[in-house]
Amino acid sequence: DIQMTQSPSSLSASVGDRVTIPCRASQTISTYLNWYQQKPGKAPELLIYGASNLRNGVPSRFSGSGSGTDFTLTVSSLQPEDFGTYYCQQTYSSPATFGPGTKVDIK
Amino acid sequence: QVQLVQSGSEVKMPGASVKVSCKASGYTFIGYFLHWVRQAPGQGLEWMGRVNPYSGATDYAQKFQGSVTMTRDTSISTVYMELSRLTSDDTAVYYCARQENYYDSSDPDWYFGLWGRGTLVTVSS
Repeated sequence: DIQMTQSPSSLSASVGDRVTIPCRASQTISTYLNWYQQKPGKAPELLIYGASNLRNGVPSRFSGSGSGTDFTLTVSSLQPEDFGTYYCQQTYSSPATFGPGTKVDIK
Repeated sequence: QVQLVQSGSEVKMPGASVKVSCKASGYTFIGYFLHWVRQAPGQGLEWMGRVNPYSGATDYAQKFQGSVTMTRDTSISTVYMELSRLTSDDTAVYYCARQENYYDSSDPDWYFGLWGRGTLVTVSS
């Protein structure tokens, strides 16, 4: 199985900050990488698919980049509603595995 | 509207089985694979498997082979996930999620574009 790692497991940032969340795959996955945001008590929601494609309706302050093994989710200007846990997911091979998540809280 | 509605919370004894349902509405049921993903308390997301609502074909994560069964009933647009021989490690929220396919530079790929709200399964004596 492809292992996904995310570090740090948590971070704190202020409103307006630029935040970058890394994700690494244990082997190359091209751009078969999705990002989800999950808020407490809620199901995850898709933000980015194919490493860099913004889902319709997702604010443009979210962006994704990377290919191969290293990926980044960037929030250009953090907003209060952006708190939550962010998960990367690879769909290169089955089973589709998730990273352990990065929890973002607002200072 | 387009949604996945899951059955309610369950409390089960160790060794028992649980069957969780996920009813699709607002779209063509047989047009999208449905997956099950679980999340233990305070933990991350774990993919369990998927079912093709059109054919009924399934694909399970190796970890769950022999303990999980995913089925569907096309007459009521519902998929089911049954987990047997429950232990406390199976205490989790179980989500169903719809696979949505797309083509990126002619290569097919997919993501989870629609999720149910989750079903809490608690295993406790």
